Amino acid sequence: DAGVTQSPTHLIKTRGQQVTLRCSPKSGHDTVSWYQQALGQGPQFIFQYYEEEERQRGNFPDRFSGHQFPNYSSELNVNALLLGDSALYLCASSLGGSSGNTIYFGEGSWLTVV
Amino acid sequence: GDSVTQMEGPVTLSEEAFLTINCTYTATGYPSLFWYVQYPGEGLQLLLKATKADDKGSNKGFEATYRKETTSFHLEKGSVQVSDSAVYFCALRIYGGATNKLIFGTGTLLAVQP
Repeated sequence: DAGVTQSPTHLIKTRGQQVTLRCSPKSGHDTVSWYQQALGQGPQFIFQYYEEEERQRGNFPDRFSGHQFPNYSSELNVNALLLGDSALYLCASSLGGSSGNTIYFGEGSWLTVV
Repeated sequence: GDSVTQMEGPVTLSEEAFLTINCTYTATGYPSLFWYVQYPGEGLQLLLKATKADDKGSNKGFEATYRKETTSFHLEKGSVQVSDSAVYFCALRIYGGATNKLIFGTGTLLAVQP
């Protein structure tokens, strides 16, 4: 049973560029959330997707956008990259939208903006 | 707003020493509480959880008790091992409505020396 998988593992981008990160949820899960973890900090909630719609959003600018596909996989897009966007981006999956089911995390995508 | 406060690290212990990592929270509702662990270069793993007051979560020798009166969820282990070296995150989650996100503390680095 595969867990939450993310790609790419590491990437380097230049300021102003755009990036797309990908996530496949744990088998059977239909809800995907994205978190940003800056160095030395705890993860911060970006947004959550359920039934292909953005259901909740944290305090992140519109440069951060996402998508969920019919197979429940998800993408996180960040436009006009800033140096401050350098972080570990974590995907988390669970079952049932806002239910209380356990949230599982992937190993993350390390983004460095230079 | 809802928040989690953890003791600052790093915490450096010798093998077989007793561990306590303090965690307190502020929440408007009735949160569930979690400890996640992040080993070097990896994503987050759920260590233990408690869903209501006076519940004790436990796993791999770690324990934490949900104390509503002191709004705390301190992590303890009687005898740490070198393999426990990691960053530990306390987190809360409030269910109900459209809310289904985790709110994390800033993390506490634990370094166990042989």
